[in-house]
Amino acid sequence: EAQVTQNPRYLITVTGKKLTVTCSQNMNHEYMSWYRQDPGLGLRQIYYSMNVEVTDKGDVPEGYKVSRKEKRNFPLILESPSPNQTSLYFCASSFRNRGLLNSPLHFGNGTRLTVT
Amino acid sequence: GDSVTQMEGPVTLSEEAFLTINCTYTATGYPSLFWYVQYPGEGLQLLLKATKADDKGSNKGFEATYRKETTSFHLEKGSVQVSDSAVYFCALMNSGGYQKVTFGTGTKLQVIP
Repeated sequence: EAQVTQNPRYLITVTGKKLTVTCSQNMNHEYMSWYRQDPGLGLRQIYYSMNVEVTDKGDVPEGYKVSRKEKRNFPLILESPSPNQTSLYFCASSFRNRGLLNSPLHFGNGTRLTVT
Repeated sequence: GDSVTQMEGPVTLSEEAFLTINCTYTATGYPSLFWYVQYPGEGLQLLLKATKADDKGSNKGFEATYRKETTSFHLEKGSVQVSDSAVYFCALMNSGGYQKVTFGTGTKLQVIP
């Protein structure tokens, strides 16, 4: 089954304790992205990757890191989490656009992170 | 920059009522437009899309028409069901090199029996 898998689904941690949220897709997508979803703000992009070893900042990258060593995986790293990073996080992937063919995003089921 | 504005929710309807969720956008060039749906506890799923002016996207009884003259992509359904209760996001993707998707803030729909 084609899917984007995120782990864990729920995570409670304390300020300053490094954590990693994993994301893996089995659709051979070039493009992957991380979003956070907050009430009243919709989805905001944190980082994205156009292909292996190519990553770039989205709209709200502060406090986050990513890596793309393999095509299927795109982990999100919080080196020193803070309470303002409490949010619902989504990983998404798609084929890279070809000309005007805009490929829709496929989303994981989300990771609810609480930082105390 | 690009932006998407959609109507505030929540929207509460009785089963079999007509649904409209308004969406307008600001973008340069010729974006593709999408509606995504998020059911409780799940990620977003593509509901429908339209890639050029006057295109109509449709799926599961939902429809939306890409109106370039009014920069709108309103979502409609003739008869909603309880199972349609979810959060609906309007989004656009510009055909630029970095493939960014801009989302609206989402509209929560609750359908009551």
